[in-house]
Amino acid sequence: AQSVAQPEDQVNVAEGNPLTVKCTYSVSGNPYLFWYVQYPNRGLQFLLKYITGDNLVKGSYGFEAEFNKSQTSFHLKKPSALVSDSALYFCAVRGFTDKLIFGTGTRLQVFP
Amino acid sequence: GAGVSQSPSNKVTEKGKDVELRCDPISGHTALYWYRQRLGQGLEFLIYFQGNSAPDKSGLPSDRFSAERTGESVSTLTIQRTQQEDSAVYLCASSLVFGPPRETQYFGPGTRLLVL
Repeated sequence: AQSVAQPEDQVNVAEGNPLTVKCTYSVSGNPYLFWYVQYPNRGLQFLLKYITGDNLVKGSYGFEAEFNKSQTSFHLKKPSALVSDSALYFCAVRGFTDKLIFGTGTRLQVFP
Repeated sequence: GAGVSQSPSNKVTEKGKDVELRCDPISGHTALYWYRQRLGQGLEFLIYFQGNSAPDKSGLPSDRFSAERTGESVSTLTIQRTQQEDSAVYLCASSLVFGPPRETQYFGPGTRLLVL
């Protein structure tokens, strides 16, 4: 079965520090991986995706993610966090079917 | 350009009544998806439409849920005899290309449904 795990319900980081939001996946075959961000009372906004190619994917707002096949991970990273990055982050995978399977989300809190 | 739009943005209804939620996908997007997000939880897939193919209804939680799509445009999600457990945010997404390479799904702002 296809699944995604986000092991941390919340991540706290000080502004200016690097941040990492973790995601691991389980899927047969080559995964298509996505990160979305959700601000309060708003829909999901696409950040970045990995389909094939370079393991380091760069996306919107300075975010990047590293695909690691051996560890079945796709962690979201940013070198320097901003208070405005505070939001709910979802990792998702799409395998043989085209629907997205989402993790439970990680709330990122960036403190000034 | 215009993104995915959904209406209403909020809906309060009484238990047992029917509700209809609307989604307008991005023009030209052939695939359309409905998801449900319960409070404090991730998104659950409900149904998707791809062009003229039969929809994938595998995520619909009960026969009280149904959805239609007119061609490659508007979709409506109908919940009959609503229950309090149906309270959630219902999100619609659309994508341009169906099939490899899998394209990105773009989400609407959602409809927040509250069943009293």
